[in-house]
Amino acid sequence: DIQMTQSPSSLSASLGDRVTITCRASQAISIWLAWYQQKPGKAPRSLIYAASDLQSGVPSRFSGSGSGTEFTLTITSLQPEDFATYYCQQYHSYPLTFGGGTKVEVK
Amino acid sequence: QVQLVESGGGVVQPGRSLTLSCAASGFSFRGYGMHWVRQAPGKGLEWVAGIHHDGKEFYGDSLKGRLSISRDNSKSTLYLQISSLRGDDTALYYCARGDRSFFDFWGQGTPVTVSA
Repeated sequence: DIQMTQSPSSLSASLGDRVTITCRASQAISIWLAWYQQKPGKAPRSLIYAASDLQSGVPSRFSGSGSGTEFTLTITSLQPEDFATYYCQQYHSYPLTFGGGTKVEVK
Repeated sequence: QVQLVESGGGVVQPGRSLTLSCAASGFSFRGYGMHWVRQAPGKGLEWVAGIHHDGKEFYGDSLKGRLSISRDNSKSTLYLQISSLRGDDTALYYCARGDRSFFDFWGQGTPVTVSA
């Protein structure tokens, strides 16, 4: 199985900050990585697929990059609605696997 | 618009079975893969099972042997049967549309609590 490791597990940031979250795969997954945002009590929301393609309706302050085993999610100029937990997920092969999550909190 | 509505969760005794349903609308159900993802209280996301548009089934390791995923394209409904339920199966079970096996739309989830 492909293990997905996110770092950090949590971070504190202020409005307007640039935030970067890293996701590492235990083996190469090409660009087959997705990012999700989840707020408390809500279902996850798709943000990015194929490592860098923005899902329809997602603000352009979100961006993704990477390929192979190392990926990043960047939020430029953090907004109040961006405080949430973020997960990466590989879909290179079954079983599909998620990272452990990164909680973005108010500083 | 795409809607996924899960049902069938509840409180179940250990060792019993349960069937979850996910009613889909707003898209051509038969053309998409569909998946179940669960989230234990206070924990992260765990993929459980998926079924491609052609009916091919895939299962996660943690429930393997206790799961059966199926779909009824005529009813635009996805199912998940879990047998021999255990305490660590307690979770919110989400249905998700799997476009190329990432999840572009999610339901609100149905809670399953395994307790005597």
